[in-house]
Amino acid sequence: IQMTQSSSSLSASVGDRVTITCRASQNIRNYLNWYQQKPGTAPKLLIYAASELHSGVPSRFSGTGSGTDFTLTISSLQPEDFATYFCQQSYSSLVTFGPGTKVDIK
Amino acid sequence: QVQLVESGGDVVQPGRSLRLSCAASGFTFSYYGMHWVRQAPGKGLEWVAGISHDGNFKNYADSVKGRFTISRDDSKSTLHLQMISLRAEDTAVYYCTKTTRSCRGSSCSSAFDAFDIWGQGTMVSV
Repeated sequence: IQMTQSSSSLSASVGDRVTITCRASQNIRNYLNWYQQKPGTAPKLLIYAASELHSGVPSRFSGTGSGTDFTLTISSLQPEDFATYFCQQSYSSLVTFGPGTKVDIK
Repeated sequence: QVQLVESGGDVVQPGRSLRLSCAASGFTFSYYGMHWVRQAPGKGLEWVAGISHDGNFKNYADSVKGRFTISRDDSKSTLHLQMISLRAEDTAVYYCTKTTRSCRGSSCSSAFDAFDIWGQGTMVSV
């Protein structure tokens, strides 16, 4: 299953509403997870099952979607949110990640 | 606390072998599937291999199938990745990850699975 993300990067300002999209090459129902990664560190789980917020993740992060199209939204971008975001499908036992979307400062 | 610590990364010549290890602590290791994910310098995340909680099911990315072997030692709460016939394109940071879904026998906590705990990574240069 191939995963694509609509943008490899986007520029935004603190306080902006940011939307990152991810598409699967086939129907993966809601077996979709989102991760955040900052330079030099391991990724962190943000959202699982397309819309479930992982423990300890701020409520400004949310996820929607089902089937092939998914969205990660940051309602009000904070300085610590500048990072790269990856989607990942867990529908197939052969896990695949999207290429990532880097959110940087406008 | 829940922790994963990888070791075994090194600089090796093409064609050589290497064995990575991941020491787990803070959770019941035998209840969880485990995976290896790698990241080449400046690149995205690539899933490498996964093993079920009971070790009965193993899956591999096409790029490593036949060359890498994932295994687990529940008595030592340790995950391994044996890598042979290494290639330049295997150069990456290798992360060990724990899944969210816990299983006892054939009964699992959820149909959904994600990687909730990651190690700090170990660098392999070929």
